[in-house]
Parts: sequence; structure tokens; C-alpha cells
Amino acid sequence: DTGVSQNPRHKITKRGQNVTFRCDPISEHNRLYWYRQTLGQGPEFLTYFQNEAQLEKSRLLSDRFSAERPKGSFSTLEIQRTEQGDSAMYLCASSISTGLYGYTFGSGTRLTVV
Amino acid sequence: KQEVTQIPAALSVPEGENLVLNCSFTDSAIYNLQWFRQDPGKGLTSLLLIQSSQREQTSGRLNASLDKSSGRSTLYIAASQPGDSATYLCAVTRGTNAGKSTFGDGTTLTVKP
Repeated sequence: DTGVSQNPRHKITKRGQNVTFRCDPISEHNRLYWYRQTLGQGPEFLTYFQNEAQLEKSRLLSDRFSAERPKGSFSTLEIQRTEQGDSAMYLCASSISTGLYGYTFGSGTRLTVV
Repeated sequence: KQEVTQIPAALSVPEGENLVLNCSFTDSAIYNLQWFRQDPGKGLTSLLLIQSSQREQTSGRLNASLDKSSGRSTLYIAASQPGDSATYLCAVTRGTNAGKSTFGDGTTLTVKP
């Protein structure tokens, strides 16, 4: 098991473009989480899945953001019509839904909107 | 709404010193509390997880305690080393379906040789 994998590691995009990030969780983890982190701040919750079901989405998330987890395996996070305020580190984590519930994070995707 | 505060925001100590990092939270109805380490530009690495029914957890030179009634947790680092320099974050997972976690903004630790 290689841990949680996120791609790409870095993404630079022009304002108004759409971007998509991918997260591959630890294979036996049925929960997958997306967080966003800006410089000097702690991660901020975006959404999470249990298997393929999206169980919660932050009210802070605008309708430009969408996440999917087809077949309960990898997940994608898409941002449409990017804005400069979307520039941040996007972090993915996974866990099991029984037992300790501890998170394992990926290395993140750094998004820069110019 | 759960709020998590970490004080101080930054801490600088000489190598070899023992130190304590603080985390406070406003809602005691938690499922667990997790401490993470983050190096610049990197993801988060889990250090210790304390279930709500536990009082402390230990791993090597690290010891984390939890006092739910007062809404506080501490991370104790013994015999600090320059390699411990990083940002330390605590995260509180709520006590309902244990999905969402709320993070503090972290304490940035510098250990000077």
C-alpha cells in the first residue's frame, strides 16, 4: 500500500478555466475527504464520501465546486470557472468508517490561479 | 459550531528542550482528536490520535493528552531536535457520524541547534 496519492502535485491555471484533481485513497479505506488549505491556516473541510455516497458538503463551497467518487474508489474534485481566491492547497485524506477513524493525508495539490 | 485554537502560533526553542503545544476546542462532543505534523509545502503526517474515551497517547518522544471537560489537548515533545521543526496541527472530529474534522491553524515550531 503506497498511501494516499494525489495528482497533479501542482497546477497553474488561468482565471476562468476549469481544473480537476484526482485522489486515490488507501485501498481498504471506505471514507474519503477533501480539505482546502491556504497559507498560514489549518485545513478547511470541503466534502467527504463514504464509499460512493457523498455524505456532506461544506456550505462554504460554491456551486463551482463538484466532487465525485465513482465506484467508491478514487475521487475527483473539479473547480469550474476558477477565481484567484481558489488558489490554495487541496488535500485529500482517507480513513475507515469503523475503529479509530484516523485520517491519512495525501501530499496535496497546489493550485495557483493567475 | 466547533472552533479549534492553537496557541502560540509560533515557538522557538533550543535543541534538547522539552516543550508543550496547546490545542483548545469549544464543543466537547467529540469523537477523537488527532495531532498532525506538516512540513512546508507538504501534506499532513499523523502523529497521534486520541479517542474521546482516552486520556492520553504516547509514541516515542511524543505524548498527547486530552481533557474533554475543559476542551483542551496538549502535545508534549521530549528532548526536541532540529528535525522536529515543522507546523503542528490538531484536528477535532465531531461526535456524531465522525465525518468532518475541524482543524486549528497550527503552531510553527523551530528547534535551534
